[in-house]
Amino acid sequence: ILNVEQSPQSLHVQEGDSTNFTCSFPSSNFYALHWYRWETAKSPEALFVMTLNGDEKKKGRISATLNTKEGYSYLYIKGSQPEDSATYLCAFMDSSYKLIFGSGTRLLVRP
Amino acid sequence: GAVVSQHPSWVICKSGTSVKIECRSLDFQATTMFWYRQFPKQSLMLMATSNEGSKATYEQGVEKDKFLINHASLTLSTLTVTSAHPEDSSFYICSASQEGREGRGETQYFGPGTRLLVL
Repeated sequence: ILNVEQSPQSLHVQEGDSTNFTCSFPSSNFYALHWYRWETAKSPEALFVMTLNGDEKKKGRISATLNTKEGYSYLYIKGSQPEDSATYLCAFMDSSYKLIFGSGTRLLVRP
Repeated sequence: GAVVSQHPSWVICKSGTSVKIECRSLDFQATTMFWYRQFPKQSLMLMATSNEGSKATYEQGVEKDKFLINHASLTLSTLTVTSAHPEDSSFYICSASQEGREGRGETQYFGPGTRLLVL
């Protein structure tokens, strides 16, 4: 059974703080690693699709890194804002193109 | 771009009835659509994968006669929960992807989900 773990489960930070979360996944049969941002009552929004070991992607204040050899990815948010409050999901994709999701990290940014 | 709608957003039904959930890609043609289920405090779990015009592929442990999936066009897939029981109460969410849109590791675009409560 493939397991995707995310930590921490939840995180409360103050506005302006920078933060990061971890996603660990199987290091074998890797195809891609997806990050999604999911606000309550909305659709999960695709942030990044990462495929290459050592890949680093950035979207505004959010960035992500990927290590496929050891099976982990970090998501960083610089200078968190209240509108960053959401659940951040990572998902491992193997060669079958199926996504296996972690349970998510719930981020709350206090003004 | 890449908007997926899902209808209804919530539904309450009596035990034994059937419920149909629609998933539409609004601004692109979806070669593949996926159906997920999420129980409280758990991850999104893939139920089935469907390609337009062919039978859906179900994940292990998902009853195909219970969860009927139809992908009749490149913009519409439906999930019908047949003879629903209280244990089918869950959050159901669909996603759609377009083959070749991005090359490797195509992004899946998600609908907002449907919360089903079976009494």
